[in-house]
Amino acid sequence: RKEVEQDPGPFNVPEGATVAFNCTYSNSASQSFFWYRQDCRKEPKLLMSVYSSGNEDGRFTAQLNRASQYISLLIRDSKLSDSATYLCVVNRANSGYALNFGKGTSLLVTP
Amino acid sequence: DGGITQSPKYLFRKEGQNVTLSCEQNLNHDAMYWYRQDPGQGLRLIYYSQIVNDFQKGDIAEGYSVSREKKESFPLTVTSAQKNPTAFYLCASQTTFLSNQPQHFGDGTRLSIL
Repeated sequence: RKEVEQDPGPFNVPEGATVAFNCTYSNSASQSFFWYRQDCRKEPKLLMSVYSSGNEDGRFTAQLNRASQYISLLIRDSKLSDSATYLCVVNRANSGYALNFGKGTSLLVTP
Repeated sequence: DGGITQSPKYLFRKEGQNVTLSCEQNLNHDAMYWYRQDPGQGLRLIYYSQIVNDFQKGDIAEGYSVSREKKESFPLTVTSAQKNPTAFYLCASQTTFLSNQPQHFGDGTRLSIL
């Protein structure tokens, strides 16, 4: 089983739609969870950290379910500029501060 | 501005040649990392360092070497032993002062074979 698994997509949605991505992780001892955004041929950029109680940042909401070992990202009122690949990231519990990156879910928002 | 600087942006390697990718950060972060990304693939960890003068192999260290002589700098050498070096190389840094901190990335170096 891969450390972090995501549906690669692509998810094609119209502007204004709500879209949700899920991710599962294998190491129950993991403590740190993040969503990153990566534009084509660019470096990953932190979108948001994910906390146990769930957290929201504008149109973005992240949830963590430790019992099921999955993380979700909800994007409301999608914008054209949200088109990117979204990476689910989890710390490696036994390797200091190193992180495991999912392969990403591709989102295309269309007019 | 604080950040991570990678250079060069594009690099070409000849057969049998070693090349070195530069990564410098002025964020005062203790931990630094090197990743490789192939088209359509996720990031794979090459090497990481959590303190000056110490570093550990990641998942795909063969054919690569690093040094960490200064806190700000973590250069990666792609040796001739790395037979398939063409990829997007990303350097990241992270504070270890608090737990559960994200990594921040430089804008990458694209390496190709001549």
